[in-house]
Amino acid sequence: QKEVEQDPGPLSVPEGAIVSLNCTYSNSAFQYFMWYRQYSRKGPELLMYTYSSGNKEDGRFTAQVDKSSKYISLFIRDSQPSDSATYLCAMNRGSNYKLTFGKGTLLTVNP
Amino acid sequence: DVKVTQSSRYLVKRTGEKVFLECVQDMDHENMFWYRQDPGLGLRLIYFSYDVKMKEKGDIPEGYSVSREKKERFSLILESASTNQTSMYLCASRSPGPAVSPLHFGNGTRLTVT
Repeated sequence: QKEVEQDPGPLSVPEGAIVSLNCTYSNSAFQYFMWYRQYSRKGPELLMYTYSSGNKEDGRFTAQVDKSSKYISLFIRDSQPSDSATYLCAMNRGSNYKLTFGKGTLLTVNP
Repeated sequence: DVKVTQSSRYLVKRTGEKVFLECVQDMDHENMFWYRQDPGLGLRLIYFSYDVKMKEKGDIPEGYSVSREKKERFSLILESASTNQTSMYLCASRSPGPAVSPLHFGNGTRLTVT
């Protein structure tokens, strides 16, 4: 079983839709959870992070972590064409450990 | 803003050539990383460096080496390029600190080995 599983999609939604992106993981030692966004022909950039179970909101984006189920989600409300990108989940055990990435989900928001 | 600059956007090399991929960051970050990104396989860590002249193997170091003579520069070397090293290569830097301290990526070098 891979440490981090992420459905690669692709996912295509109409503008204004609520988008749900998910990852599961197998290593219970993971404590810190991040979402990176990667636009076409660009490097990934950090979108959000959290280090506890529960929700964290930033504008139209909500990151959710359920450690008991080893499941993390990113919700995008009122999705916009500018949200079209690949979204990668990432997690680690602490600051001295390397980041483990999911494979990424390609999202297209159609106007 | 942190800037991570990769010297080439596209590179075409022949099998057996020695290839150098260069990366420079301007934020005095101690940590630097080389990843490759392939469809269906995601981001995979090749090598990383915690500080000058230090290096650690990542998940897929075979066929690669690295050099870090100066803090701002981290080079990836393909000793003898092979077709299975055709990929997108991404360099990143990070300041040591909290576990959620972000990786700052360059825009990648797309290497084709023919």
